[in-house]
Amino acid sequence: SQTIHQWPATLVQPVGSPLSLECTVEGTSNPNLYWYRQAAGRGLQLLFYSVGIGQISSEVPQNLSASRPQDRQFILSSKKLLLSDSGFYLCAWSFRDSNTEAFFGQGTRLTVV
Amino acid sequence: AQRVTQPEKLLSVFKGAPVELKCNYSYSGSPELFWYVQYSRQRLQLLLRHISRESIKGFTADLNKGETSFHLKKPFAQEEDSAMYYCAPSYNFNKFYFGSGTKLNVKP
Repeated sequence: SQTIHQWPATLVQPVGSPLSLECTVEGTSNPNLYWYRQAAGRGLQLLFYSVGIGQISSEVPQNLSASRPQDRQFILSSKKLLLSDSGFYLCAWSFRDSNTEAFFGQGTRLTVV
Repeated sequence: AQRVTQPEKLLSVFKGAPVELKCNYSYSGSPELFWYVQYSRQRLQLLLRHISRESIKGFTADLNKGETSFHLKKPFAQEEDSAMYYCAPSYNFNKFYFGSGTKLNVKP
């Protein structure tokens, strides 16, 4: 069966520091991968979407970037965090086929201080 | 621009009452429609999808293309239905866009 791992669960970082959140999927190949941010009152905002290694689509302009160095690894990064980057970040995957669901990780609570 | 509207942030009903969580989407084209649910201290998970025409935990959702709506309904709410519900159209090879969510509170 497939599993998704996302870490760390919580993170407190100072303004201006770098960020690296990692997500890995097991038990499947060639998944679609996603990074979402969940903000209070705003739901889940799609940040990045990937259909393959090195193929990243950015949905909104922001201070963050994503990379997919391996088929089942998705990394969310920032060179210098801003206070506004605080939030709850969710990684997800889905099969390539249309009409299939997304499977979510446990999420990372990021607080920038 | 893609947009999903869930007008109610909070919906409180008594146990046994009917419940309807509204969702309107605005897209060019024909998205696939999903409802996701997040129970307390659990991961976000799929509740149901339009294409399956299914009823899950007593919930159903009707797609109205004319009104671009995909409202979620249950005739008799239960306390265990209390959760956060998200409407999520999917476009272009499973690119999911989520609404702002509705918190359902079912009171005893």
